[in-house]
Amino acid sequence: AQKITQTQPGMFVQEKEAVTLDCTYDTSDPSYGLFWYKQPSSGEMIFLIYQGSYDQQNATEGRYSLNFQKARKSANLVISASQLGDSAMYFCAMREGPVQGAQKLVFGQGTRLTINP
Amino acid sequence: ETGVTQTPRHLVMGMTNKKSLKCEQHLGHNAMYWYKQSAKKPLELMFVYSLEERVENNSVPSRFSPECPNSSHLFLHLHTLQPEDSALYLCASSQEVWTGELFFGEGSRLTVL
Repeated sequence: AQKITQTQPGMFVQEKEAVTLDCTYDTSDPSYGLFWYKQPSSGEMIFLIYQGSYDQQNATEGRYSLNFQKARKSANLVISASQLGDSAMYFCAMREGPVQGAQKLVFGQGTRLTINP
Repeated sequence: ETGVTQTPRHLVMGMTNKKSLKCEQHLGHNAMYWYKQSAKKPLELMFVYSLEERVENNSVPSRFSPECPNSSHLFLHLHTLQPEDSALYLCASSQEVWTGELFFGEGSRLTVL
């Protein structure tokens, strides 16, 4: 079964608009972490934001925020005031298990975001 | 300068060739990873090393052979590959195994003819 689902293969957004990238996850482990990575055309994966399953508040990092809805098992990435440089692939990922011990980081299939001028 | 450097960035090889991908991290991390990124498929974990010891081998065919001579360097030796092995191979590192964020290199784009 797919652990991480990103239902939007591609999105087109006008510059300066806000954009929400969807991510739903599946786990029975009470302790897990959710990540978003950005992959520009250069290929490098760039860490954007992290949300722990026990975190009470939604994570924010500059223009990035994570809309964490635990009961719905969703962890959508919100980018405010989009810029042309935001055009890239975006991957949602989940780490299951306690901080100490064997864990795995599982990635979704990604969403290609294109920002139009 | 990126913290994780991969060479070569692009590689074309025949099915009978032997080549190696190299990864070097300058972050003082203890864990290193190889991921495979194929078109239209999620990132697939291949190998995990913690302090030069392999802690994960995710059912990867033996034509892929990793080597971690020290905590800063990771190699992926390739031999008798198949065309379906064509993909972007990403190296990553983290402070400790599965702890903290992963820092990725820019990847090695491999094409097998």
